[in-house]
Amino acid sequence: GQNIDQPTEMTATEGAIVQINCTYQTSGFNGLFWYQQHAGEAPTFLSYNVLDGLEEKGRFSSFLSRSKGYSYLLLKELQMKDSASYLCAVMDSNYQLIWGAGTKLIIKP
Amino acid sequence: DGGITQSPKYLFRKEGQNVTLSCEQNLNHDAMYWYRQDPGQGLRLIYYSQIVNDFQKGDIAEGYSVSREKKESFPLTVTSAQKNPTAFYLCASSISGYSNQPQHFGDGTRLSIL
Repeated sequence: GQNIDQPTEMTATEGAIVQINCTYQTSGFNGLFWYQQHAGEAPTFLSYNVLDGLEEKGRFSSFLSRSKGYSYLLLKELQMKDSASYLCAVMDSNYQLIWGAGTKLIIKP
Repeated sequence: DGGITQSPKYLFRKEGQNVTLSCEQNLNHDAMYWYRQDPGQGLRLIYYSQIVNDFQKGDIAEGYSVSREKKESFPLTVTSAQKNPTAFYLCASSISGYSNQPQHFGDGTRLSIL
């Protein structure tokens, strides 16, 4: 079956760095997406990885290892507005997104 | 300003009633999707449409129906056959359903049972 695993909740301190992990088993692979979702709002696209390695976008970076079925999202210089859920999704061979349950990130002052 | 508009933001359904959730996009995207989000679960695909006048069932289509008569519009009807409709419903679109382009989401409709 298809499965995406990510931690349910994480806590970090303002100004610090946090890494949110995602492991996956899917039928086919056409890339991995990270989305941010504030409570009660729409998910917004953060990053996309299809090749192994690190993609950096400002304070956010995303890493992919296809052989290990593993990705992480790295958030640097955490701000209070980064408090949100972070969703990992894998695009399968039919170009459909398979979603993890999301990681709720709590930022403390 | 391009985007995806969902309405209403909140919706209440009575027993035995069908309700329709609206989704409109002005991004000129070919593909549109309906997801259901429940606490502690990942988004689950209800229906999707890769082109006008065509749509396919997702993983949890039972008790739902859709239409795609216009490129811009993809309404979702929650029928009385859906016994547990309380959830957050998200509509999304992407440039194409056959590419690895990201999906973009509307602000969602929260449906509750009266």
